[in-house]
Amino acid sequence: GAGVSQSPSNKVTEKGKDVELRCDPISGHTALYWYRQSLGQGLEFLIYFQGNSAPDKSGLPSDRFSAERTGGSVSTLTIQRTQQEDSAVYLCASSFLMGQGYSGANVLTFGAGSRLTVL
Amino acid sequence: GQNIDQPTEMTATEGAIVQINCTYQTSGFNGLFWYQQHAGEAPTFLSYNVLDGLEEKGRFSSFLSRSKGYSYLLLKELQMKDSASYLCAVRDTRNTGFQKLVFGTGTRLLVSP
Repeated sequence: GAGVSQSPSNKVTEKGKDVELRCDPISGHTALYWYRQSLGQGLEFLIYFQGNSAPDKSGLPSDRFSAERTGGSVSTLTIQRTQQEDSAVYLCASSFLMGQGYSGANVLTFGAGSRLTVL
Repeated sequence: GQNIDQPTEMTATEGAIVQINCTYQTSGFNGLFWYQQHAGEAPTFLSYNVLDGLEEKGRFSSFLSRSKGYSYLLLKELQMKDSASYLCAVRDTRNTGFQKLVFGTGTRLLVSP
């Protein structure tokens, strides 16, 4: 598609439930990122996928969080047994790999985010 | 470690000039980005600096000093629509091809008439 698409845009869930957030990156972008933005905070890196390489999961806050990327395109972020502190906007972004695209800057294009509220 | 500092909030008047500073300390450095984020919307790319100096793009300019770990975003002829958060991000590259962007907390700019 023309941009990065995320769904759902809003999700309200009860504490302890599992949630899945979906990201559909820009066609041709081989790098995909998940960030989390809590109210009044900066963007917190969660996980990074690059082509067929093993993802960098160094930002995942706990083992309740996992993500996968199927067929090098769509990605799903799963949060198990949600807690209230998981409430945030989850942003997905995609880009070309380093060395490709605009002047090698590899600009990230963000989706509009999925706002998660855990009651 | 990684540390990126920006002022939390700034105010300015329509038509004025404002400078938003960003200082960083990261284990690796391969470029600095500025993003604009309107409330409730996705961040959008504004500028990129990898070498020292000033990059100008219309009303917006961005400066980088790698030796000082310092950047600023300069906004000229401010308009009401410039009211937004401005995010400074450093590309912290530990190995070829991996490019994690580390973001600061952002500076909320309020432009008043």
